[in-house]
Amino acid sequence: GDSVTQMEGPVTLSEEAFLTINCTYTATGYPSLFWYVQYPGEGLQLLLKATKADDKGSNKGFEATYRKETTSFHLEKGSVQVSDSAVYFCALTGGYQKVTFGTGTKLQVIP
Amino acid sequence: EAGVTQSPTHLIKTRGQQATLRCSPISGHTSVYWYQQALGLGLQFLLWYDEGEERNRGNFPPRFSGRQFPNYSSELNVNALELEDSALYLCASRGQTPYEQYFGPGTRLTVT
Repeated sequence: GDSVTQMEGPVTLSEEAFLTINCTYTATGYPSLFWYVQYPGEGLQLLLKATKADDKGSNKGFEATYRKETTSFHLEKGSVQVSDSAVYFCALTGGYQKVTFGTGTKLQVIP
Repeated sequence: EAGVTQSPTHLIKTRGQQATLRCSPISGHTSVYWYQQALGLGLQFLLWYDEGEERNRGNFPPRFSGRQFPNYSSELNVNALELEDSALYLCASRGQTPYEQYFGPGTRLTVT
């Protein structure tokens, strides 16, 4: 079945540091890939998405590129802020069915 | 446009009781998904309803059930509650776009 593996956290960075959260996946066919963010005490918000190979999703300074050859969708941001502290989930879906999530990576940004 | 809403925000039950959680999708969305976010276990898919029918369910026992009403809102029922059912239960809705689900804030269920 489908699965998503993302790096374990927590990740602690200083403000303005560069962020990378690794994500790899296993899926049949050509899934769509997502990053969701969950701020403390809140539900999930869609951060960015990519629906086909080589697509780059971007939002709020975050980026991720759909790499079919390495089955990866790593999340990056050039300069993190304290307000980026949250749990980040990599996910995929084949379409109308369920979303398969990774286990989440907690990011803590310190001033 | 209002987002996905869930009620109640928090729910405290004792072992063996039943819990009912509710979800209202975004207006115009016909699909509703339920997920369980238990501590240390990530997000697990529970159920998918579309047009009033259960379309798929995850690897959960039958005491987890639900339904979708004609207005597309949905209810998740958990019978014979166990301590390990304590979790955040998230509802998501989807419109015509096949892959984009929008999540509600969740219901925190605590079983004592």
